[in-house]
Amino acid sequence: GAVVSQHPSWVICKSGTSVKIECRSLDFQATTMFWYRQFPKQSLMLMATSNEGSKATYEQGVEKDKFLINHASLTLSTLTVTSAHPEDSSFYICSVDSTGSNQPQHFGDGTRLSIL
Amino acid sequence: AQSVTQPDIHITVSEGASLELRCNYSYGATPYLFWYVQSPGQGLQLLLKYFSGDTLVQGIKGFEAEFKRSQSSFNLRKPSVHWSDAAEYFCAVANTGTASKLTFGTGTRLQVTL
Repeated sequence: GAVVSQHPSWVICKSGTSVKIECRSLDFQATTMFWYRQFPKQSLMLMATSNEGSKATYEQGVEKDKFLINHASLTLSTLTVTSAHPEDSSFYICSVDSTGSNQPQHFGDGTRLSIL
Repeated sequence: AQSVTQPDIHITVSEGASLELRCNYSYGATPYLFWYVQSPGQGLQLLLKYFSGDTLVQGIKGFEAEFKRSQSSFNLRKPSVHWSDAAEYFCAVANTGTASKLTFGTGTRLQVTL
């Protein structure tokens, strides 16, 4: 069964709207989660590392104020795309670091975000 | 910085034929290596991983990969492809000591003809 649940799977909204995406770890507690962005027919680019109880670590070039990450519990991290614009349209995927180091990530099914 | 190269953007094979997807990495030490598969509109599923030990690793769905240090490669193979294998395949590398921070290749799209 699924290890990571991501919701919603697809969202369409107007420009200027803020959109929240949830990533839940179903089978284990996750102190670390990751958020990726994937443009059509391209690879995954790591946006940020979400750390439970502390601030997220953002990759170079990712706007912290644009992509708000909250990891308030060991099973839930949220990514909020604030004041979304058409250029923010993309496929967003979260992953969970299952038991810490030396274990591969488990990925959610992704969220397709379309901004009109 | 670590990097991953997947030279083939798109590969087409006939069902039943063998498959090899290429992956080359750049990293100062022995990295952790992964192959993931992604179906359209879906997340990623781990096929197999290499951390250490036997350089030929077996994965799910009949896939295997061989780590060749001298060639900095980690090619994915399958002896007989099924139509359901059509998908996007990503090779990824992580720092030794933590499998968490992944760097992905650009992916290879596999098309299977009947």
